[in-house]
Amino acid sequence: SYELTQPLSVSVALGQTARITCGGKNIGSKIVHWYQQKPGQAPVVVIYRDGNRPSGIPERFSGSNSGNTATLTISRAQAGDEADYYCQVWDSNTEVFGTGTKVTVL
Amino acid sequence: QVQLQESGPGLVKPSETLSLTCAVSGFSISSGHYWGWIRQPPGKGLEWIGTIHHSESPYYSPSLRSRVTLSLDTSRNQFSLKLTSVTAADTAFYFCARQPGAIVGTTMWDYWGQGTLVSVSS
Repeated sequence: SYELTQPLSVSVALGQTARITCGGKNIGSKIVHWYQQKPGQAPVVVIYRDGNRPSGIPERFSGSNSGNTATLTISRAQAGDEADYYCQVWDSNTEVFGTGTKVTVL
Repeated sequence: QVQLQESGPGLVKPSETLSLTCAVSGFSISSGHYWGWIRQPPGKGLEWIGTIHHSESPYYSPSLRSRVTLSLDTSRNQFSLKLTSVTAADTAFYFCARQPGAIVGTTMWDYWGQGTLVSVSS
């Protein structure tokens, strides 16, 4: 079965840039979505189809996907960006979520 | 405004069947799109359970396929999850969600329910 690997945690200084990776075999050939989940809440999509932002999501959030790694980038990190982040793809008639990354803003 | 709301027992005994319903408002499920269930054990990551569409056979997680059944009730505009032979490992927050589009797996889950905690315990 297909697997997506994310770092357990990422720390970023306030105002700086955080990069969250999502590793998977040839993930560059797949469509990747990213979700933000805050405690006690349902996930919210922040990037869809590799690099598209839904309405209402700040431009500070961007995504890329190539080779074996997809990346979610949070620029000018704010305290409100502290959350868990998950990548997600569709592979062989199966939805696959990444292992999740906890982002801490220092 | 599309809204999804899960409902069902918060406590299920081991070996019994977990049954949840997701009521959808703001969109007719018979008009299209995909509808699914995702769960999250407390403190852990997201796990996809299955996806259903009004004109396709359901898609199920390989690890749960033998125990899961998804169904649609278009007259009530809701869809349901049944998970048989539950164990403590099935204790989780269960979310229902919508995936827009005409081809499964090509778009994101854009609307989610708030989630409901189901505990498996005697």
